[in-house]
Amino acid sequence: EAEVAQSPRYKITEKSQAVAFWCDPISGHATLYWYRQILGQGPELLVQFQDESVVDDSQLPKDRFSAERLKGVDSTLKIQPAELGDSAMYLCASSLYRAQPQHFGDGTRLSIL
Amino acid sequence: AQKITQTQPGMFVQEKEAVTLDCTYDTSDPSYGLFWYKQPSSGEMIFLIYQGSYDQQNATEGRYSLNFQKARKSANLVISASQLGDSAMYFCAMREGGTGNQFYFGTGTSLTVIP
Repeated sequence: EAEVAQSPRYKITEKSQAVAFWCDPISGHATLYWYRQILGQGPELLVQFQDESVVDDSQLPKDRFSAERLKGVDSTLKIQPAELGDSAMYLCASSLYRAQPQHFGDGTRLSIL
Repeated sequence: AQKITQTQPGMFVQEKEAVTLDCTYDTSDPSYGLFWYKQPSSGEMIFLIYQGSYDQQNATEGRYSLNFQKARKSANLVISASQLGDSAMYFCAMREGGTGNQFYFGTGTSLTVIP
């Protein structure tokens, strides 16, 4: 089992609904990442946190996606409203600091009906 | 232009043989890092090996080695003595910039080890 904890493992919801994912990084890791991985493709970085601050969210669709890491530890990624095209694997990763290798969670597989 | 290019969608290798997975990258930043990850069918991304742009020697980690050719902007992964458990998707990735703000993954190569 991955050291980075993610929940839920699977999520099925209808379009227009809200959905949230949770991530708890490895203890002491200052940097946290959220990725979206569409089936058959490589992960795409959505947002990167350094402690509680966002350092890059240039690929985050901000009209419907939001992310927070209020205390600089665990993090939540939210989608509202969900669209059919949001069906994907959402991966969370953490690293000790930004230049270091990232350690990934098991991911949340999202299906939008 | 693609930041990371993996041109082999699928590869097959006989058990106990070596295999090379190709990766080329595109950056004008002098400071960057290159990573390889393995993703089994279960979905978790597993870090394999890292090469920094200023590293003089090729990185090695057990059965994994990285063939780093800076002038050609290639960072191929070599897996020696393939095992059945090596069957998975393999992703090449790049951290661009000294502070690591930009991180890019390739499209992956599916490796199948044949008994």
